[in-house]
Amino acid sequence: QKEVEQDPGPLSVPEGAIVSLNCTYSNSAFQYFMWYRQYSRKGPELLMYTYSSGNKEDGRFTAQVDKSSKYISLFIRDSQPSDSATYLCAMSAGAAGNKLTFGGGTRVLVKP
Amino acid sequence: EAGVVQSPRYKIIEKKQPVAFWCNPISGHNTLYWYLQNLGQGPELLIRYENEEAVDDSQLPKDRFSAERLKGVDSTLKIQPAELGDSAVYLCASSPPYPDDTQYFGPGTRLTVL
Repeated sequence: QKEVEQDPGPLSVPEGAIVSLNCTYSNSAFQYFMWYRQYSRKGPELLMYTYSSGNKEDGRFTAQVDKSSKYISLFIRDSQPSDSATYLCAMSAGAAGNKLTFGGGTRVLVKP
Repeated sequence: EAGVVQSPRYKIIEKKQPVAFWCNPISGHNTLYWYLQNLGQGPELLIRYENEEAVDDSQLPKDRFSAERLKGVDSTLKIQPAELGDSAVYLCASSPPYPDDTQYFGPGTRLTVL
């Protein structure tokens, strides 16, 4: 079993809908949680960075961490076709500069 | 500000041939990472450098893979000899000193081994 599990999708939604993504993990030492967006043929780009449990909001993006359930989520409000990409969760026991353990990524398609 | 630069972007070689990838991190970033990303999977760390020192190379297959970061700036990852299973995207990332240690990724080198 992988340390970080993520549904590969694809997840197809109409433009304007809320996109809901999540990851589960098994390593209770993880303290730092990140979401990356990766467009085709590009490197991952950091979207959200959360330490420990709680919520964080940035524009249309909301990240939630529930350490008691070992479960993290990313919500994208008012989704746009430009949000179509693969979304990767990542986490580390140390700071973000330490080794990151990634989920396999969820492919999202926002249809106009 | 220029991002992480990698070259080549694509490489096709035959098995048993050597191959090398080059990475130029963002200026001022002392930490450099090499990741391997297989199709449909997340990146997996191969090696992490703090300046010139490899501080985590536990996942690097040392029988065929090698890396160096001379002068603590650019880095090269080499595979010799390449195997069919090495076909993947090789990503380089860099991060600035703590406390802002976010990892910034380059576009990757897509390797195909025939």
